[in-house]
Amino acid sequence: NAGVTQTPKFRILKIGQSMTLQCAQDMNHNYMYWYRQDPGMGLKLIYYSVGAGITDKGEVPNGYNVSRSTTEDFPLRLELAAPSQTSVYFCASSLTGRNSNQPQHFGDGTRLSIL
Amino acid sequence: DQQVKQNSPSLSVQEGRISILNCDYTNSMFDYFLWYKKYPAEGPTFLISISSIKDKNEDGRFTVFLNKSAKHLSLHIVPSQPGDSAVYFCAVYNFNKFYFGSGTKLNVKP
Repeated sequence: NAGVTQTPKFRILKIGQSMTLQCAQDMNHNYMYWYRQDPGMGLKLIYYSVGAGITDKGEVPNGYNVSRSTTEDFPLRLELAAPSQTSVYFCASSLTGRNSNQPQHFGDGTRLSIL
Repeated sequence: DQQVKQNSPSLSVQEGRISILNCDYTNSMFDYFLWYKKYPAEGPTFLISISSIKDKNEDGRFTVFLNKSAKHLSLHIVPSQPGDSAVYFCAVYNFNKFYFGSGTKLNVKP
């Protein structure tokens, strides 16, 4: 069972570079989410999607972009990397938004450092 | 502006005893609450949830209590086991968004 797969696991970027964090799920989930976790902090929602072609901003969307062209994939794009974007990024998916029988499944994260 | 607060960064408990993790929230309109558990280098995993129509929900060794008047929820783990050592996050759900607390690191000593 693959579940939620995030690539890469680690990445070092230079300031101003761009990159795409990949997220794929094989559970046919409608909802997908991107979070970032800074040291000693909780997860902050960056963007989310309730289905293919539909995305919306979370708490901290600035500096990021997303797209959802398929049910399976939800890539996160950093256009101009800044040191403040150094963090661990988690992707998650769920069948619906609110259902204890279908909770969010998380990937193992991408650790991103921007120097 | 933190929607969810976990004021204890860490907690240490002896194996076999009760672990109590606490969480406060700001908005009385929140009506669905969750706890997640996270091991190092892994993503969080769902543990237990509670709706505001209840004040208690049990799942094996894990019980979540909700005090709506105090805007407070707690997670009880009885008995605590060394494998429970992890970071625990509380979260609330509100209009397709989840808001997480900063986490409490639980250490269960053998």
